[in-house]
Amino acid sequence: GEDVEQSLFLSVREGDSSVINCTYTDSSSTYLYWYKQEPGAGLQLLTYIFSNMDMKQDQRLTVLLNKKDKHLSLRIADTQTGDSAIYFCAEGISGGYNKLIFGAGTRLAVHP
Amino acid sequence: EAGVTQFPSHSVIEKGQTVTLRCDPISGHDNLYWYRRVMGKEIKFLLHFVKESKQDESGMPNNRFLAERTGGTYSTLKVQPAELEDSGVYFCAGSGTGGGTQYFGPGTRLTVL
Repeated sequence: GEDVEQSLFLSVREGDSSVINCTYTDSSSTYLYWYKQEPGAGLQLLTYIFSNMDMKQDQRLTVLLNKKDKHLSLRIADTQTGDSAIYFCAEGISGGYNKLIFGAGTRLAVHP
Repeated sequence: EAGVTQFPSHSVIEKGQTVTLRCDPISGHDNLYWYRRVMGKEIKFLLHFVKESKQDESGMPNNRFLAERTGGTYSTLKVQPAELEDSGVYFCAGSGTGGGTQYFGPGTRLTVL
């Protein structure tokens, strides 16, 4: 079945890089997404990658996709306190109008 | 351009009562999705509308949940009667014609006591 796994918690020091990992099961995914949820707010789309790409960079964000291992990661360079949030990995299921399958979310805590 | 809005932001009800959640997607977004996050777990798909038609309701938990989108604009999700396990955050999302990026609302936090 469709399943997305993430580690639940990550703590980093301000200024360091954060790497959030995700594994998924559906090999037919067309897009993979990273959403961010700040306290009290909704889900904000951070970035996405098409399934035939290996890497995508967007300012401080780098997404790496290993399609063979069904592994997705999000690297945040120079992590700031404002990056503290829950990060959700999601896969878009093809043939289903891009129904999203989410992981449980990784809570990122940034400390001084 | 206004984003996706959801009402109410919080709802606290007793077991057995009825609650109706509302979602207003971005104007022109034909695709509307409902998702739910229960107790810090993964966000789960509930159903998907294309305009006023239900395209996929495979994630609806049971027949206590009824979603409508009359006129193809806003949508409502009614839970009747509510049970304790229905507590969670209900998210709505919309996307343009053909699918694509989904834009999420802030969610409605439902607590059933």
